[in-house]
This record gives sequence, structure tokens and C-alpha cells, in this order.
Amino acid sequence: SAVISQKPSRDICQRGTSLTIQCQVDSQVTMMFWYRQQPGQSLTLIATANQGSEATYESGFVIDKFPISRPNLTFSTLTVSNMSPEDSSIYLCSASGASFSYNEQFFGPGTRLTVL
Amino acid sequence: GDSVTQMEGPVTLSEEAFLTINCTYTATGYPSLFWYVQYPGEGLQLLLKATKADDKGSNKGFEATYRKETTSFHLEKGSVQVSDSAVYFCALGGATNKLIFGTGTLLAVQP
Repeated sequence: SAVISQKPSRDICQRGTSLTIQCQVDSQVTMMFWYRQQPGQSLTLIATANQGSEATYESGFVIDKFPISRPNLTFSTLTVSNMSPEDSSIYLCSASGASFSYNEQFFGPGTRLTVL
Repeated sequence: GDSVTQMEGPVTLSEEAFLTINCTYTATGYPSLFWYVQYPGEGLQLLLKATKADDKGSNKGFEATYRKETTSFHLEKGSVQVSDSAVYFCALGGATNKLIFGTGTLLAVQP
């Protein structure tokens, strides 16, 4: 398994500003993912964070709005840019790797974002 | 494409009742199947998994069996506790290394 931490755990932000969320894994992992969970909803995959190259975004998500970095095998950041109230959600990172079962992902505790 | 259909909630049970949350899937190939649990105010925790047909995943009294013939992975527990109150997500992992989640089922257990 893997232990994943996220910072900040929650934040309240003003419209038009940006917030960067950090995700740290306690071991090297192959893949890291970023999800959005809107209130009372399921998880939607934003992108796969690729180490050493640009992230792979899902349909409906773009790099200008959600820039992602992954400088090494244990760390990634997601920035929510030019925020609006519609960006109020829980943002979760997850990780999978060669030492896990196929497709198994472990999740961080989430970052609860409120945009005013 | 691949998809997961999950029983809608909320499910409200009395303590010590039997729990079933239905999950069916559509997939090409042979996916892995998972149940995740999300307690109030927390992230997702992997509850159990099964990677091939007829596998039974189990953890903390919960069980689910990978049924290829019915494309199902129903979650069961013989006697629920108040502490089991949470949202349960069924998920499918296919060839792309991504997880596809069901809509989630809210379980409320009353004392």
C-alpha cells in the first residue's frame, strides 16, 4: 500500500485567484492521478500526472485551467487557476505502482476547496 | 466504453442488519474490480478488490465476489454497525490503468 498526504486539507479562496495543491506519496509510484469530486457526486478524473512529461488530460479539462507538475516519482501538484464558484469541490490525488495489484489506486485525504 | 452501474442510495439500515449494495459493470477484456469507502469528511479508502473471475475480495466483514457470468460485484456484509455509515463506491480498472467509478451509495446505519 501507499500513504498519501495532501496540502492544504481545505481552503477558502476568492474568485479569480489560483490555488496549488500538493500531493506527496511515501514511496515511489508509477502513476499519479488527480480527481475532482463535486458535492454529493462521484469522482471525475481530471488528468494523469506523468513524471518528466506533460500531464494527460481527460475530456473537458485543459492545462490552462488545471496545470499539473510531477517533478519526481513521489510528488505532484495540481493548480486550479482563475477560480470561480463552480470550482468548489474536493480534489483528490491517487497513486498506483508496480508493487500494487494491477489498477489498484490509493488515495489521499482530499483538499476541500470553497470558492467565494 | 467501460462503465459501472451502482445501486442508488441512500440505504438506511438498522444495526446488525444484512447489507447488499449492487454493482454491475460493462467492460471489454478482464477488468479488476474494487470497492472503495469514503467516511464523512475523508478521502477514499480501498475496502476490497478482485482481479479475476470468481475471486472473492473481503475485508472488515465485507465481501464481494467477481461474477463474470452476471458481470456483477455486489458488496455484502452480514451485520452492519453504525461505524459502517459511509459512501461506498464500486470501481472498475481496465486496460488504460484508469479507474471508472460508480455513482456511489450512501449507507446510513441507525442504532
